[in-house]
Amino acid sequence: GAGVSQSPSNKVTEKGKDVELRCDPISGHTALYWYRQRLGQGLEFLIYFQGNSAPDKSGLPSDRFSAERTGESVSTLTIQRTQQEDSAVYLCASSLELAGVYTGELFFGEGSRLTVL
Amino acid sequence: AQTVTQSQPEMSVQEAETVTLSCTYDTSESNYYLFWYKQPPSRQMILVIRQEAYKQQNATENRFSVNFQKAAKSFSLKISDSQLGDTAMYFCAYTKETSGSRLTFGEGTQLTVNP
Repeated sequence: GAGVSQSPSNKVTEKGKDVELRCDPISGHTALYWYRQRLGQGLEFLIYFQGNSAPDKSGLPSDRFSAERTGESVSTLTIQRTQQEDSAVYLCASSLELAGVYTGELFFGEGSRLTVL
Repeated sequence: AQTVTQSQPEMSVQEAETVTLSCTYDTSESNYYLFWYKQPPSRQMILVIRQEAYKQQNATENRFSVNFQKAAKSFSLKISDSQLGDTAMYFCAYTKETSGSRLTFGEGTQLTVNP
């Protein structure tokens, strides 16, 4: 596609349920990021994938959070046993990061708004 | 650790006027990138302008320009001839110059352009 695509756009779930959020990056982009944005706040880094390298999971807030990426394509962020504090917008971004070609610019999707009741 | 600070949670400006959004950052790196991103109500973050730290010349993009003061670690955004469509949350962001260096964002400034 032309841009980063995320689904679902909105998700309402009950406390304790598991949720999966999907991100489809721009074709050819090697890097993929997940960020969390709580209401009225800035972006909190969660996880970073780059090519076939081991992902940087240092931003995941607890072991209830996990993410996978298939090659340089789709990524899924999974939150198990959701809690009310998990309510936020989850933003995915991708970028082209090759040796000698790094601009730092990220291309964002529209996010998935998660509401945990 | 790098930090980015935006000290103005909210700002407003009249249409056609000029407004400046402030941003300061902390880093021990000499080479890095700075960004301003815009997030309208649609939620999608859009790059407004980018500055490379090794360049002394301030970046400009049409009505948007920055005042980059490397020694002071300051990176403000000036919006000239403000338009209603400029109403959005604006985030200042920093990243090191190397691949895989995640962006660190400020808390954002909500800008409202009034007719």
